[in-house]
Amino acid sequence: NAGVTQTPKFRILKIGQSMTLQCTQDMNHNYMYWYRQDPGMGLKLIYYSVGAGITDKGEVPNGYNVSRSTTEDFPLRLELAAPSQTSVYFCASSLDSLPYNEQFFGPGTRLTVL
Amino acid sequence: AQSVTQPDIHITVSEGASLELRCNYSYGATPYLFWYVQSPGQGLQLLLKYFSGDTLVQGIKGFEAEFKRSQSSFNLRKPSVHWSDAAEYFCAVGAGAGTALIFGKGTTLSVSS
Repeated sequence: NAGVTQTPKFRILKIGQSMTLQCTQDMNHNYMYWYRQDPGMGLKLIYYSVGAGITDKGEVPNGYNVSRSTTEDFPLRLELAAPSQTSVYFCASSLDSLPYNEQFFGPGTRLTVL
Repeated sequence: AQSVTQPDIHITVSEGASLELRCNYSYGATPYLFWYVQSPGQGLQLLLKYFSGDTLVQGIKGFEAEFKRSQSSFNLRKPSVHWSDAAEYFCAVGAGAGTALIFGKGTTLSVSS
């Protein structure tokens, strides 16, 4: 049981490039989330999903896209990378809705856009 | 709107000394309160949570937190800190079913020998 896994761990992008951050959970959780963590700023919710085929925006969705074709996977897409997207990205999952259900976090992806 | 304030950005504590990390929240009703820990290079791990009932909550790794409605606080405590407790600690609040958690900006704990 690996929990929540994220790839890659680190990535450097040039301005305007695109990439997909991968997130997979093996706990059969319905809810999945993407957060970004900027130094001294805590975590901000980017997007979340309540089940396969259903996604919704969080607090800071601009510049990102998501999809949820399976229960296990919740990739985050950056289409035109900008320096403002330099951050650490965390994927998380929960069995059902917050706050009653514990969120489990992946180890994060550190992204730098130059 | 909900908000969470962690007044201390960085705290240094001697190993074996007691610890208290402060958290203040803003929310009209009874909030759902959480403390998470993030070790270097790792994701967040839930330490403890408060939903209702006893205002003193016990968590993992010897941590506890006390909900004080009158002070809008949910401070995290540990009687004796170990070097392995060095990490970043986040307080979070949830408003109700289906709502996202709002995280504070975090407090970095350093442990000196």
